[in-house]
Amino acid sequence: LAKTTQPISMDSYEGQEVNITCSHNNIATNDYITWYQQFPSQGPRFIIQGYKTKVTNEVASLFIPADRKSSTLSLPRVSLSDTAVYYCLVGDLDTGRRALTFGSGTRLQVQP
Amino acid sequence: DGGITQSPKYLFRKEGQNVTLSCEQNLNHDAMYWYRQDPGQGLRLIYYSQIVNDFQKGDIAEGYSVSREKKESFPLTVTSAQKNPTAFYLCASSIPGVRPTFGDGTRLSIL
Repeated sequence: LAKTTQPISMDSYEGQEVNITCSHNNIATNDYITWYQQFPSQGPRFIIQGYKTKVTNEVASLFIPADRKSSTLSLPRVSLSDTAVYYCLVGDLDTGRRALTFGSGTRLQVQP
Repeated sequence: DGGITQSPKYLFRKEGQNVTLSCEQNLNHDAMYWYRQDPGQGLRLIYYSQIVNDFQKGDIAEGYSVSREKKESFPLTVTSAQKNPTAFYLCASSIPGVRPTFGDGTRLSIL
């Protein structure tokens, strides 16, 4: 299983761009990279998913280098409501043969 | 409106009792998962099931049991053998090629 490593915590200010990196050195060929956001006492909510290069949606961008051993979630112009824990999930979504294992997450604190 | 329903949201039980947490999904997903989350910690996989009548242990299965008699349902029983059951429990489901969808969790407290 691809083990993931993320920074434990990050601090930012409103309006800044935040980049959170996840390391996954033993990612497999069929693995996708998915990022979730979690607020206290709620289930994780999907943010973005990718396989390689760059993916962008209305809330974030995901950058994946050619070797796919890491990925970076980019949140543009964060607000106070972006204060949450962010998880990187690496797993084989196509076949579902293997369990989906989460890392310990990054706690983002956005200050006014 | 499709989704995953976990019930109840809060659950209290006396020490030594077994307790069952419900997870129901109407997304027609084949795979279902149970995770445990302790305060300030990440998600740890308890059990997962890829198809009906089949399930596998995750990283912390000791003291827990599951069943998968129907595609829509994946109940988790926390047995008296689980030494420290107080935690936030999350259920998720997925199909091949689609990221997991999570329920809103059940917070279990042992009195």
